[in-house]
Formats: sequence, C-alpha cells, structure tokens
Amino acid sequence: EAGVAQSPRYKIIEKRQSVAFWCNPISGHATLYWYQQILGQGPKLLIQFQNNGVVDDSQLPKDRFSAERLKGVDSTLKIQPAKLEDSAVYLCASSPIRTGANYGYTFGSGTRLTVV
Amino acid sequence: AQRVTQPEKLLSVFKGAPVELKCNYSYSGSPELFWYVQYSRQRLQLLLRHISRESIKGFTADLNKGETSFHLKKPFAQEEDSAMYYCALRGQAGTALIFGKGTTLSVSS
Repeated sequence: EAGVAQSPRYKIIEKRQSVAFWCNPISGHATLYWYQQILGQGPKLLIQFQNNGVVDDSQLPKDRFSAERLKGVDSTLKIQPAKLEDSAVYLCASSPIRTGANYGYTFGSGTRLTVV
Repeated sequence: AQRVTQPEKLLSVFKGAPVELKCNYSYSGSPELFWYVQYSRQRLQLLLRHISRESIKGFTADLNKGETSFHLKKPFAQEEDSAMYYCALRGQAGTALIFGKGTTLSVSS
C-alpha cells in the first residue's frame, strides 16, 4: 500500500510569514494526526481528525495554527504568522479504526520547517 | 496526567552486548504501549506493541504494570540497531499516542 505522503519536505520562511503543509493519508485510514517534533524532543500531538471531524485539538495554538481535513481525506496544516519557536518537523500520521485492536500509526516523512 | 519518560538521551553499546532502553509511564488506567524506531534518514515506524507480545528484529518489551515500565530489550546488539527509539502510550481507546523524548542507541564494533 502507498504510504502517508507529505509535502513539502523542507521549508524556510521568515518570522511573521505564513506557511502551509499538506498530508495525504493511507487510503481508507479514517484517523489522521498532525504532530510537532522540536529538535531533541518526542512528537507532540497538535490535532487529531476522525474522517473530517476534529477529535482533539487541545494542544493546537489556535491563535496561529489551523488545520482542516475537507472530505475526510487530505489535510492541510497552516501557521500564520510563524514564530521562531515554530521551527520543527511537522509529522502527519494516519491509522484505521479498528474497535478493540491495539494498532499503531503509519507516519509520513515529515516537513522540516525553519523559521528565521 | 499521562506521561512517558525515557530517562536516557543516549545509550552507547558495543556490538554483541545486551541492550535495554528504559521507558516508564504515568497513567491511572490500563494503557496501550508501543515502541517506535527511526533509522537515519527514514520515517518513524512502529517496532512493536505490548499486546502482541512479539519479538521484532530480536527486540522484546514486557509491560510491567507494577513498575509502570515498558523497557525494550535485545540480548545481542547489532550495528544496524543504531537509531532513535521512542516509547509511546495510548490511554483511552481512540485517543492519540503520547510519545517520550526518545533515546538514541549507538552500536559500535
């Protein structure tokens, strides 16, 4: 099966600019996640979608970050305006819904954002 | 609060030596525990999960609820095991994984 696709792979922007990341999950995976991974730390959840609805966005800095998953497939994550501390790798992951199963995620290769 | 702690940032061993990557968690219920691995220039991938009680690439991990630990072990390390390892926890079903900060394993000959 095709993996989780993310683009772009790298992005360098100046602070206060805006940026958008795109994710295409594995076909049929209902759940999609965006994680932020700052250098030296583990991935931190930003937002979780199930189909096109938001399940958890409690850690998303909503004053500057937004995400959508129209039609329950592709997703975009936007930062506007960016700050220096947003420099990180943004990971997208997807998983199927399997009741009662102990399943893991499939991750994309990530987008490395540098804010200068 | 749910939390995953990996106390070691870096673990360096020689080829053929035993390896133990430590993971402790904080969760009041019955968690689901996972180990993920990231090799150089590759994406994060699932290594193993506690419910499967499987051995992948010679690695095993046992959930110890009394000590709230899920340590990753391998009896004889190989150079190709060098990678970043993350322990992750899922509390309630359907919620997102919470990751530890990761441990870099370096295996030298």
